[in-house]
Amino acid sequence: DAGVTQSPTHLIKTRGQQVTLRCSPKSGHDTVSWYQQALGQGPQFIFQYYEEEERQRGNFPDRFSGHQFPNYSSELNVNALLLGDSALYLCASSLRLGTAKNTEAFFGQGTRLTVV
Amino acid sequence: AQTVTQSQPEMSVQEAETVTLSCTYDTSESNYYLFWYKQPPSRQMILVIRQEAYKQQNATENRFSVNFQKAAKSFSLKISDSQLGDTAMYFCAFMVFTSGTYKYIFGTGTRLKVLA
Repeated sequence: DAGVTQSPTHLIKTRGQQVTLRCSPKSGHDTVSWYQQALGQGPQFIFQYYEEEERQRGNFPDRFSGHQFPNYSSELNVNALLLGDSALYLCASSLRLGTAKNTEAFFGQGTRLTVV
Repeated sequence: AQTVTQSQPEMSVQEAETVTLSCTYDTSESNYYLFWYKQPPSRQMILVIRQEAYKQQNATENRFSVNFQKAAKSFSLKISDSQLGDTAMYFCAFMVFTSGTYKYIFGTGTRLKVLA
């Protein structure tokens, strides 16, 4: 059973460019959340997708957008990249509702984005 | 504001010894869950232990146990019989439900090094 997979693993972009990160959830999971982890910090919640809609959003500008596909996979898009967007981007998948056990998030290994 | 505070940026422990990592949190929500995640150099976040806030009994998972003090909003992790493989970043987190969805709030992490 494949866990959460993210691609690419590493990425280097120039300021002002746009980037798309991809995530395939763990088999059976229907909810995908994205987190930004800056160097030396804990992950910060960006947004969560369920049934192809954004359900909740953290304190991130509109330059950060996402999408969820019918097969539950998801994309994170960042426009007009800034140097401060350099971070590890983590995708987490889970089931939408239920007990803490059901809503346990399984994380991918992340995409390391470097903006130069 | 919902926050998680880990006041120990770095800790070290001798192999086979016991270490306790501290965590305090702040939330006005009544329905939440608490977690400790481990992030080794591979970057993947791995669940160590979870605690339902409505349960008074402290959770245990093999060598890992928590001391959950709800009134004090404290959630410390005790690792017994430390092993070299326990070397990693440890993040305390709580999950809060909002409008039918949920998100994780993470602390800034504690870097644990187990010494041979």
